[in-house]
Amino acid sequence: EDQVTQSPEALRLQEGESSSLNCSYTVSGLRGLFWYRQDPGKGPEFLFTLYSAGEEKEKERLKATLTKKESFLHITAPKPEDSATYLCAVQAVDTGFQKLVFGTGTRLLVSP
Amino acid sequence: EPEVTQTPSHQVTQMGQEVILRCVPISNHLYFYWYRQILGQKVEFLVSFYNNEISEKSEIFDDQFSVERPDGSNFTLKIRSTKLEDSAMYFCASTSYSNQPQHFGDGTRLSIL
Repeated sequence: EDQVTQSPEALRLQEGESSSLNCSYTVSGLRGLFWYRQDPGKGPEFLFTLYSAGEEKEKERLKATLTKKESFLHITAPKPEDSATYLCAVQAVDTGFQKLVFGTGTRLLVSP
Repeated sequence: EPEVTQTPSHQVTQMGQEVILRCVPISNHLYFYWYRQILGQKVEFLVSFYNNEISEKSEIFDDQFSVERPDGSNFTLKIRSTKLEDSAMYFCASTSYSNQPQHFGDGTRLSIL
């Protein structure tokens, strides 16, 4: 069974204090790993897709990396507006129409 | 930027009643999904829909659930006889190709009394 585990569950940072979020996954064959941001009362907002080990994607203060067992979301010099829950999800090659399997997320709070 | 639209934002229903949740996916997308998120838990897949038929469904998606694309723009989720445990946030998502990112709406909060 495909599984995604995210850590830590919650993270509190001071503005400008860089850190990383972890997403460990077990999947029969990885088709893609997705990072989403979710604000309270909103739907997941797409951030990145990673398809193969060694791949990296960047957007503003966020950088996502992928290995064969885990992905990291690095946050450099975060700002209070980066506060949100960050979700990791995987797609397996053996699901024909590509359902997403999500982790429970990391709640990030950035204080000014 | 195109977005997925869901209505209503909040639905309160008596147990045993039927409820229909509505979604307007992004216009050129071909693959459609419903997920749910019980308060404090992870987002869970319910069903995927392509070419006017269900392509995959989870064990959650039992005979009480159905989906429909009644016209070229709407995608609906019906729960025939709601239960207390159906209370959750329901998200609709769509994508242009099956291996592309899925884009989510802001959800319908379903409260069963």
